[in-house]
Amino acid sequence: NAGVTQTPKFQVLKTGQSMTLQCAQDMNHEYMSWYRQDPGMGLRLIHYSVGAGITDQGEVPNGYNVSRSTTEDFPLRLLSAAPSQTSVYFCASSRGAGTGELFFGEGSRLTVL
Amino acid sequence: AQSVTQLDSQVPVFEEAPVELRCNYSSSVSVYLFWYVQYPNQGLQLLLKYLSGSTLVKGINGFEAEFNKSQTSFHLRKPSVHISDTAEYFCAVDSNTGKLIFGQGTTLQVKP
Repeated sequence: NAGVTQTPKFQVLKTGQSMTLQCAQDMNHEYMSWYRQDPGMGLRLIHYSVGAGITDQGEVPNGYNVSRSTTEDFPLRLLSAAPSQTSVYFCASSRGAGTGELFFGEGSRLTVL
Repeated sequence: AQSVTQLDSQVPVFEEAPVELRCNYSSSVSVYLFWYVQYPNQGLQLLLKYLSGSTLVKGINGFEAEFNKSQTSFHLRKPSVHISDTAEYFCAVDSNTGKLIFGQGTTLQVKP
């Protein structure tokens, strides 16, 4: 019963470094998304995908890239990390738009120094 | 554009007392509404959802919410809370695009 798996759980970066947060789901969900969670701001949508080969921007896409080459995987890339990207990142998936039941990973806590 | 406002950032309540967590939304189209719960150091899990039909929706752990279209609200209620209900609660809206927009969150603190 893996569900949505995120790696790594914790990461510390220096300003300007790049990295990829991995996300994989084993539920054959078409829809996947990335959120960031910051105190007092709830969760904000970064990027999302409605299926393999299709991605789109959410509310706060700047500084992040995504790709969706398979149904299972949806990695999030930080090209040049900035302190403003210090946050907890959540990957989520669902069967499709409008179903509402997003299944979340356990989160990845990123600190940028 | 859609938006969600949770009117209280923190709600302290004594065990076995009733609680209401307030949520208002704005949208120019029909929406689906959700409440999620986040326990410490965990991801979010769905409490309940309103897609259509009865405006009173029952969820897990004894929670319920009422959709009020005229007041654009979707408040969450529980008649008697337990210590284990201490968590952060998020209201969210989706206009059938798959882009779930979340509110800022309400921390429910249940005291013994």
